[in-house]
Amino acid sequence: EPEVTQTPSHQVTQMGQEVILRCVPISNHLYFYWYRQILGQKVEFLVSFYNNEISEKSEIFDDQFSVERPDGSNFTLKIRSTKLEDSAMYFCASSSLQGEDTEAFFGQGTRLTVV
Amino acid sequence: RKEVEQDPGPFNVPEGATVAFNCTYSNSASQSFFWYRQDCRKEPKLLMSVYSSGNEDGRFTAQLNRASQYISLLIRDSKLSDSATYLCVVPGGGNKLTFGTGTQLKVEL
Repeated sequence: EPEVTQTPSHQVTQMGQEVILRCVPISNHLYFYWYRQILGQKVEFLVSFYNNEISEKSEIFDDQFSVERPDGSNFTLKIRSTKLEDSAMYFCASSSLQGEDTEAFFGQGTRLTVV
Repeated sequence: RKEVEQDPGPFNVPEGATVAFNCTYSNSASQSFFWYRQDCRKEPKLLMSVYSSGNEDGRFTAQLNRASQYISLLIRDSKLSDSATYLCVVPGGGNKLTFGTGTQLKVEL
């Protein structure tokens, strides 16, 4: 069964450092997303990406965040200067279609710890 | 009203019991809804979609009440493996998903 894969599974970084979280979406999917989940809290939408550009972003997704699809398979989330409050589980997701009834498939997540 | 609201639980039930969770949502324009399951420190996985009045899949039944803006999930004959957090999810515009905080279920022997 096709799946979304994320690397690394766990990243520890010092405050102020840049991190890049990587995702390989399902191969025939066209819509890509990043969500985050702070420990003990709900899953929150960060950004959606289609046709090589951001289609929607939340207020969490400020200038410190950026996304890129550098090649035909990878989808990355960069945090330029990490803060302690960026510590969370980051989930990548992808879907084949757009629309309210479309299922999004989630990767297993990257746990980011900022120290 | 919050965008998506759920009772966090935990619901502790014996094996074989029937348990129901409710979820309320604020956007009356939403047409479809999802229940996702999340195991501890794992990714959310789709359990059921709800498009019209309801949906049934084996031991799981999801119902939608548009007038009252709530969705329910019923689990019959609960098993130990059903222990997880159940997330009510409401799609927004552009494929964005809005998650509830989740309801924790613990099924015990």
